[in-house]
Amino acid sequence: AQSVTQLDSHVSVSEGTPVLLRCNYSSSYSPSLFWYVQHPNKGLQLLLKYTSAATLVKGINGFEAEFKKSETSFHLTKPSAHMSDAAEYFCVVSNGGATNKLIFGTGTLLAVQP
Amino acid sequence: DTGVSQNPRHKITKRGQNVTFRCDPISEHNRLYWYRQTLGQGPEFLTYFQNEAQLEKSRLLSDRFSAERPKGSFSTLEIQRTEQGDSAMYLCASSPEYGYTFGSGTRLTVV
Repeated sequence: AQSVTQLDSHVSVSEGTPVLLRCNYSSSYSPSLFWYVQHPNKGLQLLLKYTSAATLVKGINGFEAEFKKSETSFHLTKPSAHMSDAAEYFCVVSNGGATNKLIFGTGTLLAVQP
Repeated sequence: DTGVSQNPRHKITKRGQNVTFRCDPISEHNRLYWYRQTLGQGPEFLTYFQNEAQLEKSRLLSDRFSAERPKGSFSTLEIQRTEQGDSAMYLCASSPEYGYTFGSGTRLTVV
């Protein structure tokens, strides 16, 4: 069965410093992996997705993630945090198949200090 | 607005009452999903429709829960005899063959 583990429930950074949100996955086959962001009282927004093409995936708002099969990791990074990045971030794996349902991690709450 | 619309945004109900939520997907999307998100957790899959057919239901969806998607358009999720443990955010998403668009959710509070 597919699963994801987000290693940090809370991350706090200063504005302008790099962001690293960590995610490990478990999958019996080559997974489809995603990062979603959820701002308060707003819907989930797709940041980026990995679907077995390039291992370095670029997303919206300057975020990127690198798929490392040897480490079963899919960490999310951004070179310079902005106040508007404060939100909850979810690492997600798709179960594939006909249903294509998503399996979410428990989330990482990112705080950005001025 | 071409996004996924969910109504109501918030619902407070007394324990034991029935509630119904509505989801209006993006019109050309044939797939529709319901997820539930409790406080401090990621969303969990509840059920999946392809057009009007409900093709998969999670074990989380007890007998008190029922979902429909008549004519393959909007969908409703009904919870009968609500319990405090039903308090959560209920998220709807629609999809063409691949890729999701989520709605903003309905937050249910059972008192």
